[in-house]
Amino acid sequence: AQSVTQLGSHVSVSEGALVLLRCNYSSSVPPYLFWYVQYPNQGLQLLLKYTSAATLVKGINGFEAEFKKSETSFHLTKPSAHMSDAAEYFCAVSDYGNNRLAFGKGNQVVVIP
Amino acid sequence: GAVVSQHPSWVICKSGTSVKIECRSLDFQATTMFWYRQFPKQSLMLMATSNEGSKATYEQGVEKDKFLINHASLTLSTLTVTSAHPEDSSFYICSAPYSGSKNNEQFFGPGTRLTVL
Repeated sequence: AQSVTQLGSHVSVSEGALVLLRCNYSSSVPPYLFWYVQYPNQGLQLLLKYTSAATLVKGINGFEAEFKKSETSFHLTKPSAHMSDAAEYFCAVSDYGNNRLAFGKGNQVVVIP
Repeated sequence: GAVVSQHPSWVICKSGTSVKIECRSLDFQATTMFWYRQFPKQSLMLMATSNEGSKATYEQGVEKDKFLINHASLTLSTLTVTSAHPEDSSFYICSAPYSGSKNNEQFFGPGTRLTVL
């Protein structure tokens, strides 16, 4: 079964600094990989997704992620953090053609002014 | 883009009562919907796959008699928490893949906060 690992439940970053959230996946077949953002008491919003096309994926709000098969990773980055980036971020994986998502434990991002 | 709604957005009930949560795809048809639960400060755990016109598929460890799922139409799935207890208090989120999007992107509802007293 597919799974994802996100380390570090809380991530603090200074405003204007690089945001880096790590995600490693485990899947027996080529995966689809996703990053979602969740604001308090709200559902999930898709930031970006990898579906076997370009390995560097650009998403909304200035975020991007790079798929590295050799490292089984899909880390999320943003060059310059903004106060509005404070939220919970989830990495998720699904098998090709399978809509069932497995989520990581999430990273709570705090942006320090 | 496609929109998924949930109703109610929050509900408080007494222990032993049943609560029904609705998940609707507003501008597209969804033969499949997914139900997740999320405990405070934790990740989403897939509970079940709701299939229009057939029985839901439950994940291991999820009591199907406790969490009744009905997918009676192509735009509506309901989750009923029967004989709710305080440990059922959680944030319940549904999602639906949109066939009109590239790669069947899933759209999530805003969630329902259930508090059982």
